Amino acid sequence: GAVVSQHPSWVICKSGTSVKIECRSLDFQATTMFWYRQFPKQSLMLMATSNEGSKATYEQGVEKDKFLINHASLTLSTLTVTSAHPEDSSFYICSASAGTFTEAFFGQGTRLTVV
Amino acid sequence: GQNIDQPTEMTATEGAIVQINCTYQTSGFNGLFWYQQHAGEAPTFLSYNVLDGLEEKGRFSSFLSRSKGYSYLLLKELQMKDSASYLCASMDSNYQLIWGAGTKLIIKP
Repeated sequence: GAVVSQHPSWVICKSGTSVKIECRSLDFQATTMFWYRQFPKQSLMLMATSNEGSKATYEQGVEKDKFLINHASLTLSTLTVTSAHPEDSSFYICSASAGTFTEAFFGQGTRLTVV
Repeated sequence: GQNIDQPTEMTATEGAIVQINCTYQTSGFNGLFWYQQHAGEAPTFLSYNVLDGLEEKGRFSSFLSRSKGYSYLLLKELQMKDSASYLCASMDSNYQLIWGAGTKLIIKP
C-alpha cells in the first residue's frame, strides 16, 4: 500500500509551547488529509479534514485557533497545537487519501505529552 | 443520529476462527471499512465493502449486508500477532468515516 509518513513519532513539550506535527504522503498525491486524535482505549475522533490549497474543515468542538492545519501541497499537511496544555496530551494520527472512495492510509501517529 | 456498534472485547484461541460483528446507522452509505490497530500504533487498512456479500483476502474476510446495516470481519487460522483492536467504520453520504469504538481481540495459546 501507499506510504504516509508522520513526524515526530512522539514529543514531550512544556505547557504553553506550540508543537508542529507533519504528515507526508510519500508515493501518491493526497487530495484530502484527515487529522484524528485518540485517547487511550477510545476510538479515533476526527478533528478536521483538509483539502490541498483550501482551508481545513473542523469538526464541532475543535478549536481552529488552537489546532492550526495547513495543507499547502498535495504531499504535506501540518497540524500545529498552539499553546499546548496537559489536556492536549493524546495520540494524534493523520491519514491521507487520493480520492473519495480510495482507502485512507494512516501515518504512524504522534504521541504528544504536555508537561 | 449516526452510530456504529461493535463488541468491546473478544477472546479466541490460536488457530481458531473468530467473527467480529459491526452494525451501523449512518446518514447515507458509501462503504464499510475494517482497520486493524495494534496498541500504540496507527490503524492499518484491512478491507472495504460497498456491495453486499463476502470479500475474501487471505486469512481475513469481510461481509456486508446493506439492508441489515451489518458487517462482519472473519479471521481464520488465528495467530498471536492478530491480537489487536479491530475498528469498523462506515462512510456516510458526506464521505466521512464514522468510527466504531473498536473490538479488542485477545488471542490465547
